[in-house]
Amino acid sequence: EPEVTQTPSHQVTQMGQEVILRCVPISNHLYFYWYRQILGQKVEFLVSFYNNEISEKSEIFDDQFSVERPDGSNFTLKIRSTKLEDSAMYFCASSDGQGRYEQYFGPGTRLTVT
Amino acid sequence: QKEVEQDPGPLSVPEGAIVSLNCTYSNSAFQYFMWYRQYSRKGPELLMYTYSSGNKEDGRFTAQVDKSSKYISLFIRDSQPSDSATYLCAMNSGGYQKVTFGIGTKLQVIP
Repeated sequence: EPEVTQTPSHQVTQMGQEVILRCVPISNHLYFYWYRQILGQKVEFLVSFYNNEISEKSEIFDDQFSVERPDGSNFTLKIRSTKLEDSAMYFCASSDGQGRYEQYFGPGTRLTVT
Repeated sequence: QKEVEQDPGPLSVPEGAIVSLNCTYSNSAFQYFMWYRQYSRKGPELLMYTYSSGNKEDGRFTAQVDKSSKYISLFIRDSQPSDSATYLCAMNSGGYQKVTFGIGTKLQVIP
């Protein structure tokens, strides 16, 4: 069964450093999303992406964040200058974009900012 | 008032019991309703996806939506220890819009 994959599974970085989280959405899916979950809190929406542009973003998704589809299979989330409060699980999700709206999530990347 | 409210539990039940998990919501724009299962430090796994009010059944799982009361439920029949996880209710206003999640209810099924 097709699934969303994410790398790395765990990333440790120092405050102020840039990180790139990588995702491979389900093949042939056209809508891509990033969510995050701070330990003990709700899963929160960050951004959605379709047709090579952002279609929706939350107030969390400020200028420190960016997303990119660098090739036909990868979808990345970049955090330019990490803060302690960016420590969370980051989940990538995808939808087929062709009439089925279900969002399928990857296993997540645990980001630890020290 | 929070958009989506869900009792975080924990909820402990004996194996074989019927489990009832619930959420309430305040945003009338929500039209699509989901239940995800999340094991510790893993990604949410989609269990049920519903649109209309009423019931939807899939194996041991039944999702129920009451839009008039802004109340959704997930029932698990013949619960198994492997059902022990956190169950997240989620919803959106339609299409490919962002999904809003509840906090999740932690369920433990005791053998």
